[in-house]
Amino acid sequence: GAGVSQTPSNKVTEKGKYVELRCDPISGHTALYWYRQSLGQGPEFLIYFQGTGAADDSGLPNDRFFAVRPEGSVSTLKIQRTERGDSAVYLCASAETPGGEQFFGPGTRLTVL
Amino acid sequence: RKEVEQDPGPFNVPEGATVAFNCTYSNSASQSFFWYRQDCRKEPKLLMSVYSSGNEDGRFTAQLNRASQYISLLIRDSKLSDSATYLCVVNLYTGGFKTIFGAGTRLFVKA
Repeated sequence: GAGVSQTPSNKVTEKGKYVELRCDPISGHTALYWYRQSLGQGPEFLIYFQGTGAADDSGLPNDRFFAVRPEGSVSTLKIQRTERGDSAVYLCASAETPGGEQFFGPGTRLTVL
Repeated sequence: RKEVEQDPGPFNVPEGATVAFNCTYSNSASQSFFWYRQDCRKEPKLLMSVYSSGNEDGRFTAQLNRASQYISLLIRDSKLSDSATYLCVVNLYTGGFKTIFGAGTRLFVKA
């Protein structure tokens, strides 16, 4: 079956612009996670959804970052007024059960010039 | 102190060697534990779940010591294809599940 998909695979934007990153989880997976990974580091937790609600958003670095999952499936990570420090790979993962094994998408490489 | 700490690495070992990865976590509320593998410029992939009773999958053995808040991964008879970064992962229950990754330990297996 289909795995987790993320679009776009690459995004280049200018400082100050708004970007949206999309994640399509494995069908039936209720848990969805967003992470950010910089070179040489492990993935950094951003936010976790259980169904439509954000159960833990403590990893969002500031109020420029926001994520939604309106129908409990596809999720969008939104970044306003992008900064060069936002450049990273943004990973999405889904799990069948909370706290269970997570399956990752290929990531979106965001570059802010 | 980081919530999840791993050996900094990298580890350079010959084919056939046994290699051990160590990981410690600081939050006693941690609920579930995993090892993931990440190849260069790829997404992490689950290698093993980790249980208190220990678990083994072929050449790979994972152990959890809740009292010491310590997790280990042992790879026996290492292969060239084992070269990757190994990530220790802890799930905290915070009302939801917050997942914390270690920084990873890079392994190079040489012929």
